[in-house]
This record gives sequence, C-alpha cells and structure tokens, in this order.
Amino acid sequence: DGGITQSPKYLFRKEGQNVTLSCEQNLNHDAMYWYRQDPGQGLRLIYYSQIVNDFQKGDIAEGYSVSREKKESFPLTVTSAQKNPTAFYLCASSWEAGVAEQYFGPGTRLTVT
Amino acid sequence: QKEVEQNSGPLSVPEGAIASLNCTYSDRVSQSFFWYRQYSGKSPELIMSIYSNGDKEDGRFTAQLNKASQYVSLLIRDSQPSDSATYLCAVSFTGGGNKLTFGTGTQLKVEL
Repeated sequence: DGGITQSPKYLFRKEGQNVTLSCEQNLNHDAMYWYRQDPGQGLRLIYYSQIVNDFQKGDIAEGYSVSREKKESFPLTVTSAQKNPTAFYLCASSWEAGVAEQYFGPGTRLTVT
Repeated sequence: QKEVEQNSGPLSVPEGAIASLNCTYSDRVSQSFFWYRQYSGKSPELIMSIYSNGDKEDGRFTAQLNKASQYVSLLIRDSQPSDSATYLCAVSFTGGGNKLTFGTGTQLKVEL
C-alpha cells in the first residue's frame, strides 16, 4: 500500500527534551511538508522540502529543525527552544514542486509536560 | 499576509439536505484551491481541488470558484451523518511556491 506514515501516533515528553517525529512516504513524492495544528486553529506550516537535501522555513519554524537526506523521509525535531510544543503534528507530501495537492499522514499528537 | 477565512460554525443541516460551506481569501491573484475533510482526531483528507472559475462536481460534492469575488465554496448534496466533520479550505497563492494557506475550518453537523 502506498501512503504516508508517521510515528509514533502519541508521544509524551518532559519539558526541556528534544524529540524527533518520523515521517515516511512511499508515494515517490518530491515535496514534503510539516504542519502543526492547535485546537480551533488551522494548519500552520513549519518547514517544507521540495527536493532532497534542501528545505525551507515555513511560517512558524522557530524551535524546530528538519532534514531531508532521503526522498522518502522528512523527520521533524521539536527542540527545547519551542515554547509551546504540545500540538497535533501533520506531515504531508505532494507529487512534485509544481503540484500543490498535498496528502497527509495520520499525524502525531505530542504532549509536553 | 495572505489569509483564508471560514466561518467556524457549527453548521447544522438535516440528513438529505444540501450543505453549503464558504471560504474567502485575501489575494485576488491565487492559483489553486482545495477542500479537505477532517474528522475529529484524524488528519485532513483531500476531497476536492479546483483551479479555474466555475463549478467542479465529484459525486455528491461540488466546488464553486469565483476569483473575481475571491471566494470558493463546497456544496454537499444529500448530506449524510458520515459527512459530519470539519471542512478545511486551503489556497495556494501566486508566488508562494507550493505552500498552502489553510482556513480554520467549518464544523458541519448532519442531523438525523
């Protein structure tokens, strides 16, 4: 089955710890994205990558970091510098740089206490 | 700042009725428009995309785009309880690469 996987589904961390969220896709999509969603709010873009070994900051990149070493993988690290890390994190991908339709993974719900 | 606006709802419609969801956006020059459905606790699912003025139909769903008035709407015919979800409007703005800007979503409730 082709699709986007995110792991884990739920993640709990203590304040001050860095945590890495996994995102893998086997759709052969070039572009990948990370969003966060807070209750009652729309999706906000954290980082995106249109090609391997290249990525750009989105609207709320502070306190986050990413890498894109493989086409299939786009992990997101939530660092201790992120002031309000508790949120629902969504990874998405799209066919190529010129196509805007994005498809989402199932998400990771991160709780930091 | 490019913006996408939606009424948060909830919008309540009886089963079998037509549900009409609306979305306005701030930039007249925009490229692509999308509707996503999101069930509570789940990730968004793409249900419609529309790129040019007019109507686009897919089963019970119709997307309507009016670039001059800067709005896009989604009609759901013969609404079913399983359509109860939050519907997110997303816009790809010209010059914004392939980034999507999302509205905050409209909650739809289809009542028996």
